[in-house]
Amino acid sequence: EPEVTQTPSHQVTQMGQEVILRCVPISNHLYFYWYRQILGQKVEFLVSFYNNEISEKSEIFDDQFSVERPDGSNFTLKIRSTKLEDSAMYFCASQLAGVTDTQYFGPGTRLTVL
Amino acid sequence: RKEVEQDPGPFNVPEGATVAFNCTYSNSASQSFFWYRQDCRKEPKLLMSVYSSGNEDGRFTAQLNRASQYISLLIRDSKLSDSATYLCVVRGGSYIPTFGRGTSLIVHP
Repeated sequence: EPEVTQTPSHQVTQMGQEVILRCVPISNHLYFYWYRQILGQKVEFLVSFYNNEISEKSEIFDDQFSVERPDGSNFTLKIRSTKLEDSAMYFCASQLAGVTDTQYFGPGTRLTVL
Repeated sequence: RKEVEQDPGPFNVPEGATVAFNCTYSNSASQSFFWYRQDCRKEPKLLMSVYSSGNEDGRFTAQLNRASQYISLLIRDSKLSDSATYLCVVRGGSYIPTFGRGTSLIVHP
């Protein structure tokens, strides 16, 4: 069964450093998402991406964040200058099409900012 | 009022028990409803979509009540492996889902 993959599984970084989280969505899917989940809290939407551009973003997704689909397979989330409060699990998800379609989540990247 | 509310639990039940969770949502324009399961420090995984007519998948039954704006999940004959957090997810007209904080279920021998 096709699945969403994410790398790395765990990233440790110093405050102020840039990090890039990588995702490979399911190959025929058209919509891509990033979410975060701070430990013990709910899953929060960050950004959605369709047709090579951001379609929606939340208040969390400020100028420190950016997304790219640099080639036909990868989907990346960049945090330019990490803060302590960016420590969380970051999940990528992809969706074939349509608002009722299922979103499939990757296993997540645990980001720890020291 | 929170957009999607769930009782955090934990619900602590013996194997074989029947347990039900409810979730309320505030946006009356919501169109799609899902239950996801999340194991500790893992990704959410779709358990089932929820349809107006209600739907069943093995031991799991989901119901939607649009008038009262809640969805429910019933688990029959609980197994130890059902222990997890169950996330209620609601989507409006956009593709953006809103997650509840989840209900923790612990099934003990």
